[in-house]
Amino acid sequence: EDKVVQSPLSLVVHEGDTVTLNCSYEVTNFRSLLWYKQEKKAPTFLFMLTSSGIEKKSGRLSSILDKKELFSILNITATQTGDSAVYLCAVLDISGGSNYKLTFGKGTLLTVNP
Amino acid sequence: ETGVTQTPRHLVMGMTNKKSLKCEQHLGHNAMYWYKQSAKKPLELMFVYNFKEQTENNSVPSRFSPECPNSSHLFLHLHTLQPEDSALYLCASRNRGNGYTFGSGTRLTVV
Repeated sequence: EDKVVQSPLSLVVHEGDTVTLNCSYEVTNFRSLLWYKQEKKAPTFLFMLTSSGIEKKSGRLSSILDKKELFSILNITATQTGDSAVYLCAVLDISGGSNYKLTFGKGTLLTVNP
Repeated sequence: ETGVTQTPRHLVMGMTNKKSLKCEQHLGHNAMYWYKQSAKKPLELMFVYNFKEQTENNSVPSRFSPECPNSSHLFLHLHTLQPEDSALYLCASRNRGNGYTFGSGTRLTVV
């Protein structure tokens, strides 16, 4: 059974801190790994990672994938209160050539205090 | 708005009621999904539709019945639900680049 494990499950930091969120996975037919940010509404897309070792960056957020060790990290530098959210890691696998499935971890609840 | 619209946003229903959740996207995506998000659990995949055909039913009880009349619309028909079915139900669509777009969800409470 496909599995995605995120750690920590929750984290409280002060504004300006740097955080690292972890995601490890076990899937049968790995295609890519995705990070989402979820506040009270729809999960919003952050990154899609397909290749190992290539860092993706968007402002203060960055992420990298290690397909050998089967994990990814999401870094947030100089955190702001608006970064408070649940960060979801999901792995896309494909079976039968066309059946895509996205399996999620439980998420990391990040709280950034002023 | 993400381009995936779900209605209603909130729903309270009794265990003997029948209701339907609706999802609509005009992003040109060909695959649509229902996910269930319960407290302290990962998002759980319920149903997958590719080009209007159901390609996955993830062991979902028959009191949940999906319908996909065309590639832009997806419904989830609910009947005789249980209190443990209370959750956030999220619809998503997928583009050819494998990016998923989620709707804002329907917060369902079964009383």
